[in-house]
Amino acid sequence: GQNIDQPTEMTATEGAIVQINCTYQTSGFNGLFWYQQHAGEAPTFLSYNVLDGLEEKGRFSSFLSRSKGYSYLLLKELQMKDSASYLCAVHETGANNLFFGTGTRLTVIP
Amino acid sequence: ETGVTQTPRHLVMGMTNKKSLKCEQHLGHNAMYWYKQSAKKPLELMFVYSLEERVENNSVPSRFSPECPNSSHLFLHLHTLQPEDSALYLCASSQNTGYGNTIYFGEGSWLTVV
Repeated sequence: GQNIDQPTEMTATEGAIVQINCTYQTSGFNGLFWYQQHAGEAPTFLSYNVLDGLEEKGRFSSFLSRSKGYSYLLLKELQMKDSASYLCAVHETGANNLFFGTGTRLTVIP
Repeated sequence: ETGVTQTPRHLVMGMTNKKSLKCEQHLGHNAMYWYKQSAKKPLELMFVYSLEERVENNSVPSRFSPECPNSSHLFLHLHTLQPEDSALYLCASSQNTGYGNTIYFGEGSWLTVV
């Protein structure tokens, strides 16, 4: 089984940095994904971590600690268009799909 | 712009109607999925197809019936639905199933059952 936890909502200021945390418990771990979903739109792939450490992609970075069952998504130089839901998803060993958290709704304010 | 397209984007149906959702992927992927997204709940997997064979049916009621005629197309046939089935239905695809395969989503079909 799996249990994936994220904060429900966060608010941050334009230009600032925000960190969205995700903790998970799975019977076997084979990678963690972050997706961004704007209201009324498809979730879009942001990042994938399978080994411990930080993966950087422009303004977005994702970190993984497998021993702690913990990941975070770091968004720098926030822009208004970053207001969206951010979904953490885990690939469990032997599973055919991803297991998703409920998502964190981020609101960026001026 | 997404490589996975879904139609219709919005659907309102009565509880006795029969309707279908359609999905097409233009990515050359071998696996396709149906997910259900309800407010304040995680994305719920409904069905997984790999090379046109159903590999997972996640305890979905029989009023939802999937069909995968080829690796590019996926349907979800709907019959005698309940109001609680109102949700966003997302189609997705990936190169294959299994770890390391990124799942790409369509825009979704908003379903309202009245």
